[in-house]
Amino acid sequence: EAQVTQNPRYLITVTGKKLTVTCSQNMNHEYMSWYRQDPGLGLRQIYYSMNVEVTDKGDVPEGYKVSRKEKRNFPLILESPSPNQTSLYFCASSGLAGGPHTGELFFGEGSRLTVL
Amino acid sequence: DAKTTQPPSMDCAEGRAANLPCNHSTISGNEYVYWYRQIHSQGPQYIIHGLKNNETNEMASLIITEDRKSSTLILPHATLRDTAVYYCIVRVGGATNKLIFGTGTLLAVQP
Repeated sequence: EAQVTQNPRYLITVTGKKLTVTCSQNMNHEYMSWYRQDPGLGLRQIYYSMNVEVTDKGDVPEGYKVSRKEKRNFPLILESPSPNQTSLYFCASSGLAGGPHTGELFFGEGSRLTVL
Repeated sequence: DAKTTQPPSMDCAEGRAANLPCNHSTISGNEYVYWYRQIHSQGPQYIIHGLKNNETNEMASLIITEDRKSSTLILPHATLRDTAVYYCIVRVGGATNKLIFGTGTLLAVQP
């Protein structure tokens, strides 16, 4: 089954304790992206990757890091989490930008993160 | 990317067609209209997209006006499981896959 898998789905942590949210897709997609969703602000893009070893900042990258060492994985790293990073996070993937399915993003089920 | 305007909420009776409008009066010639939906904090789900012509797939139909300034997503026989927030997004073809999600329309399907 084609899917984007995120882990953990729920996490409560404390300020400053490094954490990683993993994202994996099994569709051989080139493009992957992270969004965060907050009440009243909608979904905002954090980082995206057009392919292996190619990453770029989205609209709200501060406080986050990403890496794309393998095509299927795109982890989101919070080096020193702060309470303002409490949010619902979504990973998404799609085929190559510019191709016939550009814009057809497949989203994971979300990771709800609480930073105390 | 062009801005979209959607009503904040709509109701629809189960089994009837749900018609969700979207205004995108500043759309450019190479910008596509995409529709996604999000069921209660789950990951958004792609529904359909189009450029100029009307489109239909197994989930919905997309009607784009001739001047492309507005569009309507049609769910032909709404069910309770179609209750969700529906997002209308306009994006430029090619380049990146960045989608800018607005606040969408909360469609409540009533039994």
